[in-house]
Amino acid sequence: QSVLTQPPSVSGAPGQRITFSCTGSNSNIGAGLDVHWYQQLPGTAPKLLIYRNNDRPSGVPDRFSGSKSGTSASLVITGLQAEDEADYYCQSYDISLSAYVFGHGTKVTVL
Amino acid sequence: QVQLVESGGGVVQPGRSLRLSCAASGFTFSGYSMHWVRQAPGKGLEWMTMISYDGNNKDYADSVKGRFTISRDNSQNTLYLQLNSLRAEDTAIYYCARDGDYGDPRPLDCWGQGTLVSVSS
Repeated sequence: QSVLTQPPSVSGAPGQRITFSCTGSNSNIGAGLDVHWYQQLPGTAPKLLIYRNNDRPSGVPDRFSGSKSGTSASLVITGLQAEDEADYYCQSYDISLSAYVFGHGTKVTVL
Repeated sequence: QVQLVESGGGVVQPGRSLRLSCAASGFTFSGYSMHWVRQAPGKGLEWMTMISYDGNNKDYADSVKGRFTISRDNSQNTLYLQLNSLRAEDTAIYYCARDGDYGDPRPLDCWGQGTLVSVSS
């Protein structure tokens, strides 16, 4: 059972803006630790999408953005496209567990 | 470009062992910490273990502590994962990933394509 909670699924129409959360606790996100986000397209390996809460690696479109506040983080996709249909995972570190932790994952469906 | 290629997966009986490899190229392997992450069929990502750039420090998830061992050979640019006493619940795709440059914790900024381990009698 993950210590980072994400909604199982989110959907939106092409062009829409969607947002979903990653909720942790004071032993991970709330402890000031960074949150990273990964995109996993069907049948492929995960790919780093957002690092250090709101930074984008080279090549990631600017319609992907992240934020962090308190014990939660959020990922926003603006101008949703069919190619964004994937699973998205948040990740941080948990001090109590002394372990890296992932969220359960959120499946994004483009209607 | 940065590339990680896993190998060594396959079908193995419960209780047996397996060694996975991850060949790195396109970057200075000896300068980076490395991770193993697994994903059971239809499930999410599970971090398992990390090794420092020089191999002197290792961390493990409780779920694999004492059964799995991470190691590296910087002269061969290769990361390893020794899997012992395998159980059916260890069936998963195993990914190696590089520890990135910025952040606390640092992100896993490059991933291999994964190798499938299936534990079945």
